Amino acid sequence: DVKVTQSSRYLVKRTGEKVFLECVQDMDHENMFWYRQDPGLGLRLIYFSYDVKMKEKGDIPEGYSVSREKKERFSLILESASTNQTSMYLCASRTLGDGKNIQYFGAGTRLSVL
Amino acid sequence: GQSLEQPSEVTAVEGAIVQINCTYQTSGFYGLSWYQQHDGGAPTFLSYNALDGLEETGRFSSFLSRSDSYGYLLLQELQMKDSASYFCAARGSGKSTFGDGTTLTVKP
Repeated sequence: DVKVTQSSRYLVKRTGEKVFLECVQDMDHENMFWYRQDPGLGLRLIYFSYDVKMKEKGDIPEGYSVSREKKERFSLILESASTNQTSMYLCASRTLGDGKNIQYFGAGTRLSVL
Repeated sequence: GQSLEQPSEVTAVEGAIVQINCTYQTSGFYGLSWYQQHDGGAPTFLSYNALDGLEETGRFSSFLSRSDSYGYLLLQELQMKDSASYFCAARGSGKSTFGDGTTLTVKP
């Protein structure tokens, strides 16, 4: 079974803090994604990565950055957290080799910025 | 750009059949996926259509019409445990765009 692990289930930070959200997958998938999920807004793509050291902006990259130094790990960074970044953050990984475009999601990190 | 439309809520009774529709506008469209998400849980993959037609997986089926930019998820023999949110996702170049989700409530 594919496993996508997010480092924290719940996180509380203060405005202005630098926040790191970590995601690790164990299936050697090429692609990894970071989404945020807010009520009524579905999943919105923040950043994605095709492979190691590669990254592409998604639909809402402002206020975020990412790092992918190793294939299994994709980190989301909030340089200076703000209250409007309070949300559920979901990480996903995908291989295109199965032809099914399946994204495997982690359990999510619920971030509260006070 | 990419956008998807799906109903926000659907209610059905146990044992019934329900269809959740999804229309999309996507440049460089590759295919349409469906995900299920229970309250407090992670989205899990249900199906993917790259070609026109029906894909069947047990009680769930998914349909795609590329010419109409339209797809649907069909859930048969509904069970209480099917109460969840269902998302369609259109795959474009590299990334997928998700709809806002349909909350399905199954009543006894």
